[in-house]
Amino acid sequence: SQTIHQWPATLVQPVGSPLSLECTVEGTSNPNLYWYRQAAGRGLQLLFYSVGIGQISSEVPQNLSASRPQDRQFILSSKKLLLSDSGFYLCAWSKTGIHTEAFFGQGTRLTVV
Amino acid sequence: DAKTTQPTSMDCAEGRAANLPCNHSTISGNEYVYWYRQIHSQGPQYIIHGLKNNETNEMASLIITEDRKSSTLILPHATLRDTAVYYCIVRVANSGGSNYKLTFGKGTLLTVNP
Repeated sequence: SQTIHQWPATLVQPVGSPLSLECTVEGTSNPNLYWYRQAAGRGLQLLFYSVGIGQISSEVPQNLSASRPQDRQFILSSKKLLLSDSGFYLCAWSKTGIHTEAFFGQGTRLTVV
Repeated sequence: DAKTTQPTSMDCAEGRAANLPCNHSTISGNEYVYWYRQIHSQGPQYIIHGLKNNETNEMASLIITEDRKSSTLILPHATLRDTAVYYCIVRVANSGGSNYKLTFGKGTLLTVNP
């Protein structure tokens, strides 16, 4: 069966510090991968998605970047965090194909102080 | 992808059916209706999807109107654990390009009361 791992579960970082959130998927190959953010009291916002190694599409210009160094690994990064980067970050994957539901990780709650 | 409109919140008594509406009046012929839910502080969970026929699985039923401009998600016997934000999403069932992405609106907060 397929599983998605996302860590850490919670993170408190000072303003100006770097960020690296990692997500890995097991039990499948060539998944589509996604990073979402949910600010407090807000809906889910798609940040990045990837359809293959090294292929990253950005939905919203911002202080963040994403990379996919391996088929089942997706990394969200920032060189210098802002207060506005606080939120609940979710990684998700879906199969390639026309009828594909997305499976989400448990999320990382990031607080920038 | 077509835009969806959902009520901000709804209440339901435990054990009763919860009927969550969604309007998608600009839906096109190749777009599917997907439903997800998000329990507080967890990642969203897929519930069901459909094109034009009504669908049922172990979690819920999906009723799509004949003109496909609206749909209703039905939880037949709501429990307290069904309290969550429910998202209705319309997306193209096409394996090319940006159609892989899911776009979530604000959803409906369903509160199941004892």
